[in-house]
Amino acid sequence: NAGVTQTPKFQVLKTGQSMTLQCAQDMNHEYMSWYRQDPGMGLRLIHYSVGAGITDQGEVPNGYNVSRSTTEDFPLRLLSAAPSQTSVYFCASSSTGTGMYEQYFGPGTRLTVT
Amino acid sequence: QQPVQSPQAVILREGEDAVINCSSSKALYSVHWYRQKHGEAPVFLMILLKGGEQKGHDKISASFNEKKQQSSLYLTASQLSYSGTYFCGTERAGGTSYGKLTFGQGTILTVHP
Repeated sequence: NAGVTQTPKFQVLKTGQSMTLQCAQDMNHEYMSWYRQDPGMGLRLIHYSVGAGITDQGEVPNGYNVSRSTTEDFPLRLLSAAPSQTSVYFCASSSTGTGMYEQYFGPGTRLTVT
Repeated sequence: QQPVQSPQAVILREGEDAVINCSSSKALYSVHWYRQKHGEAPVFLMILLKGGEQKGHDKISASFNEKKQQSSLYLTASQLSYSGTYFCGTERAGGTSYGKLTFGQGTILTVHP
């Protein structure tokens, strides 16, 4: 199993550009989440999904879009990049099988917006 | 609302013990603990559910006081490999909250030889 994979690992964007961060998992997990991590801020939830076709907002959803057409994939779209979106982005997945939703994180995407 | 972790940083010598605390103002379904090393992704350590069920690594122990909505992570006989930033993540009960974590700001643990 590859677990949770994210691409790209690094990305530099100019203000106003758009892009999609990719996330995929091969564990057949129902739940998937996107977090951003800024220095001293911990991890903040952007969007999450409880299954294909179902998404919901987290704490900091503005400027980001998601969709979930399959169980495996959960891409995060930046609509018009801003310097405030410079951060490390982590995707995570979890299973609902046992009622314990421990999260498995991908390696992260380091995004810089200039 | 973000849970509050304390202390913000801990420095230990190998073999010493440490306790990291996590406190929430909301009623919780579960508390998670993760460790993150510099430049890497967070790694699951422990989950404690309301009602007493828990799951985690053998060498890690933790407690969850449901009345106070507080959790503590106990690191005993620390090793150099324990160094990193520890995060608690809280999960509220009910409806659309399951699987949705709110993380604390982190506790930086440094273990010296």
